[in-house]
Amino acid sequence: QKEVEQNSGPLSVPEGAIASLNCTYSDRGSQSFFWYRQYSGKSPELIMSIYSNGDKEDGRFTAQLNKASQYVSLLIRDSQPSDSATYLCAVARGNQFYFGTGTSLTVIP
Amino acid sequence: SQTIHQWPATLVQPVGSPLSLECTVEGTSNPNLYWYRQAAGRGLQLLFYSVGIGQISSEVPQNLSASRPQDRQFILSSKKLLLSDSGFYLCAWGTGVLFFGQGTRLTVV
Repeated sequence: QKEVEQNSGPLSVPEGAIASLNCTYSDRGSQSFFWYRQYSGKSPELIMSIYSNGDKEDGRFTAQLNKASQYVSLLIRDSQPSDSATYLCAVARGNQFYFGTGTSLTVIP
Repeated sequence: SQTIHQWPATLVQPVGSPLSLECTVEGTSNPNLYWYRQAAGRGLQLLFYSVGIGQISSEVPQNLSASRPQDRQFILSSKKLLLSDSGFYLCAWGTGVLFFGQGTRLTVV
């Protein structure tokens, strides 16, 4: 069983819509949860971190964590063409970080 | 502020040749350091991580090795490259959250 699983997509949404990205993890001992954005040919950049159950909002981004269901999600409101990228979900246990394979998002103008 | 430098950005090497990729971090002391590889269309695979000078943990048995000769320097090496070593190599640092360098695109021919 993979540590972190994501739907690879591709996910396409029209400009201005809400994009919803989902992720599940297998180890209940996971302590920290992250979303990274990776543009084609570039390295991942951190966009959100979340550590406790519930929602965390940062601008147009909202991360949601449900530890009972072992589920993490990312909502992007008012999606823009510049949001087109691959989104990586990551979980951490101690010094170890585990990544999903990413969901490709395309925002259509 | 902390910055991470990784070089070179791209590299084309013949099969059987040696490899040395270097990564340095500025603005922090005793960081946790990581080497990841991302094959085309694949997720991030943790190769090595280090919590201090001379302390290297290997996650995947292969023909790669890592060294940490100084607190903020992390080196990835190989004595003889294989075709399967092609990929996007990412150095990262962090305690509790990861930040990535710019990456090295390695093509073994």
